[in-house]
This record gives sequence, C-alpha cells and structure tokens, in this order.
Amino acid sequence: DAGVIQSPRHEVTEMGQEVTLRCKPISGHNSLFWYRQTMMRGLELLIYFNNNVPIDDSGMPEDRFSAKMPNASFSTLKIQPSEPRDSAVYFCASSIGGQYSNQPQHFGDGTRLSIL
Amino acid sequence: AQTVTQSQPEMSVQEAETVTLSCTYDTSESDYYLFWYKQPPSRQMILVIRQEAYKQQNATENRFSVNFQKAAKSFSLKISDSQLGDAAMYFCAYRSRGGGADGLTFGKGTHLIIQP
Repeated sequence: DAGVIQSPRHEVTEMGQEVTLRCKPISGHNSLFWYRQTMMRGLELLIYFNNNVPIDDSGMPEDRFSAKMPNASFSTLKIQPSEPRDSAVYFCASSIGGQYSNQPQHFGDGTRLSIL
Repeated sequence: AQTVTQSQPEMSVQEAETVTLSCTYDTSESDYYLFWYKQPPSRQMILVIRQEAYKQQNATENRFSVNFQKAAKSFSLKISDSQLGDAAMYFCAYRSRGGGADGLTFGKGTHLIIQP
C-alpha cells in the first residue's frame, strides 16, 4: 500500500519566491496534518484538516503561509513570499481521524526546504 | 496547552543491551494518547509504539515496551536487545482524545546511539 506521498523531496529557492509543497494522503484517511521540523523548535503542528476542512490552523506562523485541501487526495502548503527562516523539513501526515479515533498518524518522507 | 519533555538529548548503549528513554508530559486532560516515533537519518517518521491513557496495561511491541505512569505523567520507552538499526532520533508525542485537537505535540527528541 502506498504511504503518504510528499513532493518535492528537496526544494532550494531564493528568498521572496513562492514555494508550494504537495501532499497525497493515504487513501481512505480523512485527517491530514502539516508539521514543520527545525533544530530550534523541533516538530510543530502547522495545520490540521478533517474531511478536507481546516480544523486548527493556530500553528501557521504568519500570513505568508497558507494551506488548502481541495479534495480528499491532495493538499498543498504554500509560502509566499519565502524567507530564510522558513528553511526546515515539512512533513505531511494522515490518519483515519475523528475525535475519538485511536488510529495513529502516518507520515510522509518530508520536504527539505532551503531558502537562500 | 500540553507540553512534552524529553530530558535526555542523547543516549548511548552497547549493542544487545537494554536502554530506557524518558518522557514526561503535562496535561489537565484525563483521556489522551501517547506515542513514540523513531526518526532514522533517512528522515522518515516511524511509529514505534502507542498507549491509550485509559488502558492500565503497558503497551509492548516485540523488543519495545513502555512504562506508563499516568499519575506521574511519565511515559518511558524501553528497548531490549538493542540493535544497530535502532540508532535514530526518538520522539515522544501526545495527542488529545476528543475536542478536535487531533494534532500531535512532540518532545524535542532523544538521539540514540548504538555502539557495536
């Protein structure tokens, strides 16, 4: 079975450019999460979707960040304009969710983003 | 808000020996889930083991087991018969049960070194 698929695996771009990260969750999973991993702050939840609807975006650092989930099999995280401090590994995860679900989250391989 | 603390930035163990990784958490909730994830140099986030707070019995998965002390808010991971492939970063994570807060709160991680 295919796991969570993220693209690209690596992205290097110059500050000020728009960056779009992509995620395909596991088929049948209805919850999708975006996390960011940095040395300073560790792993942080950015935003969480349930049934394609954003439930909690309190972790989105600022207005330069936006996320969408137009359908059950695709999500994007966009940064515009990008800044060097956005450099991090961005993970997408999915699960069979719902308030009382005991199912774990399955992670993609992450996108390593470097903003020069 | 919940917090997760891993007080050991790095641990080292001889191959075939047993090692215990510590994790404590702070929450006012009575029902929740706890997880240990492994992150090898390949960057994948791999679920190792999970525990539901309402279950008194400690979870076990082959060589991996936990010591869950709910009153003390402690959730340690024991790895028996350590193998070279166990070398990785290990993250403890907390998830609420219910209330729509399905995102994971992670500790800062413990770097586990296996010495041959």
